Amino acid sequence: DIVMTQSPDSLAVSLGERATISCKSSRSVLYSSNNKNYLAWYQQRPGQPPKLLIYWASTRESGVPDRFSGSGSGTDFTLTISSLQAEDVAVYYCQQYYTTPYTFGQGTKLEIK
Amino acid sequence: LQLQESGPGLVKPSETLSLTCTVSGASISSSSFYWGWIRQPPGEGLEWIGTIYYSGSPYYTPSLKSRVTISVDTSKNQFSLKLSSVTAADTAVYYCARLLVNVGYFDYWGQGTLVTVSS
Repeated sequence: DIVMTQSPDSLAVSLGERATISCKSSRSVLYSSNNKNYLAWYQQRPGQPPKLLIYWASTRESGVPDRFSGSGSGTDFTLTISSLQAEDVAVYYCQQYYTTPYTFGQGTKLEIK
Repeated sequence: LQLQESGPGLVKPSETLSLTCTVSGASISSSSFYWGWIRQPPGEGLEWIGTIYYSGSPYYTPSLKSRVTISVDTSKNQFSLKLSSVTAADTAVYYCARLLVNVGYFDYWGQGTLVTVSS
């Protein structure tokens, strides 16, 4: 199985400041034939199901604010929130879909400082 | 598009957990989508259980493969999850979700249903 490891486990950022979450995979999720990284990011607010934010490592889902961005390739990925808003308080998960079993990171809890 | 999980909220140890996901706003027989189950133990992270295409064989996470069955009922626009021989470790919120064909990220999720395994 591909193990996904996120850091940090929790993060407190002031409103309007940048938040950065890291996700590392135990092996590359870059598919060489199409040069795509099979990596997604989700946001889970308290009491809610996860919501897709980013897929192909850097493509924003429709309707997701442009303060959310994804970057990285191979085994190292980053989710950045450029200017933290109150509604961004949530747990964030990365997920690889390069191969089954699909696996998720353990989650990063983002709070307001 | 809406997905709605339904089923018992309490299951006894050693029995079979059965859940159904009703899909509205899209056809479960569409050639564009797969359908999947994911679970989340209380206070923990997400675990993919399995995925099915309306006309194909399902595939499951290896750790649950011996106990899981996922099936589709196209006449009711539903898909189902059965997990046998449950223990307290299977207590979780169970989500159903949609995937696009040939990709494995989940673009629509149900609200989830909590299933507690207890006598």
